[in-house]
Amino acid sequence: SQQGEEDPQALSIQEGENATMNCSYKTSINNLQWYRQNSGRGLVHLILIRSNEREKHSGRLRVTLDTSKKSSSLLITASRAADTASYFCATDSTSGGSYIPTFGRGTSLIVHP
Amino acid sequence: AAGVIQSPRHLIKEKRETATLKCYPIPRHDTVYWYQQGPGQDPQFLISFYEKMQSDKGSIPDRFSAQQFSDYHSELNMSSLELGDSALYFCASSTNRARNTEAFFGQGTRLTVV
Repeated sequence: SQQGEEDPQALSIQEGENATMNCSYKTSINNLQWYRQNSGRGLVHLILIRSNEREKHSGRLRVTLDTSKKSSSLLITASRAADTASYFCATDSTSGGSYIPTFGRGTSLIVHP
Repeated sequence: AAGVIQSPRHLIKEKRETATLKCYPIPRHDTVYWYQQGPGQDPQFLISFYEKMQSDKGSIPDRFSAQQFSDYHSELNMSSLELGDSALYFCASSTNRARNTEAFFGQGTRLTVV
């Protein structure tokens, strides 16, 4: 599988519940970024976590990173219908010395009001 | 705050035609990336530029070319368009001098080839 694989691929929850999405990757990384994409729209940067960080918070978002397991999770607490979107993780892939965000397949989150 | 600007937002072309997509990065960002996202797919890296020079190449077809200009804006040129080129094309920019920097994406150009 490719760098940055998210699971589950689809998640359906009720408003107010928490949503957890996971991302696994294969190679060593420098950082991992989470993005959100509303249907057919642009990618919105949510949070970046560095390889020497284990946890990061931003509002209702909590991201963890476990470099030993090469995995990350994105937790959205107290979800809202407006959180309905696809969520992608992107890991930096070094190629020729530069850093290229490499995306996985994404998790489609549906939050029912 | 200024974001990454892409134009046009939507484009409809016929097969075998040519298309040019434009990207204006965030001011003072020195790196531009281009991605292609097909329906239901994840964004695929096409090509990137650092300080107006091509830095990396991904899965960009030979029919496509790109460049970054002196004002740091970038253009993706697509020739001999095929139906399979219909996709959302994103441009992103970052300051790549420091490794731990976010890449910010534009709203994308939706290209439909008919």
